[in-house]
Amino acid sequence: SQQGEEDPQALSIQEGENATMNCSYKTSINNLQWYRQNSGRGLVHLILIRSNEREKHSGRLRVTLDTSKKSSSLLITASRAADTASYFCAPSPTDKLIFGTGTRLQVFP
Amino acid sequence: GAVVSQHPSRVICKSGTSVKIECRSLDFQATTMFWYRQFPKQSLMLMATSNEGSKATYEQGVEKDKFLINHASLTLSTLTVTSAHPEDSSFYICSARAQGRAYNEQFFGPGTRLTVL
Repeated sequence: SQQGEEDPQALSIQEGENATMNCSYKTSINNLQWYRQNSGRGLVHLILIRSNEREKHSGRLRVTLDTSKKSSSLLITASRAADTASYFCAPSPTDKLIFGTGTRLQVFP
Repeated sequence: GAVVSQHPSRVICKSGTSVKIECRSLDFQATTMFWYRQFPKQSLMLMATSNEGSKATYEQGVEKDKFLINHASLTLSTLTVTSAHPEDSSFYICSARAQGRAYNEQFFGPGTRLTVL
C-alpha cells in the first residue's frame, strides 16, 4: 500500500512552539500533499510538494521531501491554538490520494 | 474559488433505508470526483473514483451495489447508500478535481455525517 504513515500519532504543544510531523511512504511518488482536518470537518489542502522539490514554504508552514528516504516532514512554526487539528500526508504515485493515519496536534493556549 | 459542497451535512436514518448524499463543485467543473469514508479517529479511506459520464471505479472491498455513485454532470456527483445498516454509520467526504488543474489536486467537501439507527 502507498499509504503514508505519520509520526507522531499525537502531539501536544504550547502556543508559540513549533510542531513537526513526519510522514513515511513506501513507493515512488509524483508528489506529496499535506492536509488539515478539524474535528468533524472536511479536509483543507495545505501544501503540495513535487518529487523534484526538496523544500517548500507557505506562510508558517515548511514542508521538506526526501525521496531517497521516502519521507516528508511538515513544520508549523509559532503555533496557535487554531492550529489544533489532525494533519494527514498523502503521497501520490497516481491520481489517487491515499491518506496516512494522521497526526493529531493539540496546541494549548 | 474551488469550493465543494455536500448535502446533507448530517443525516440520521433507520436501518434498511437508502440515503443519498450530494457533492457539488460550486465554481469549477470537476472531471473527476472521489468519495471517501472516515471512521472516528481514523484516516480517510478512498471508496471510489467517479468520472463524469462513466461508471465509477470502486476500491477493493467496497460493494458497488451498496454504494451507488452517479456523476451525471461536471458539477454533481451523488453517493447513495442503499439498505443502510448501523455499520455504515460513518463520515462520508467527497472531493473534486478541477479541469486543467494539477492532475491530483483535489478540493474537499465538508463531509456528511451518516448515522444509521
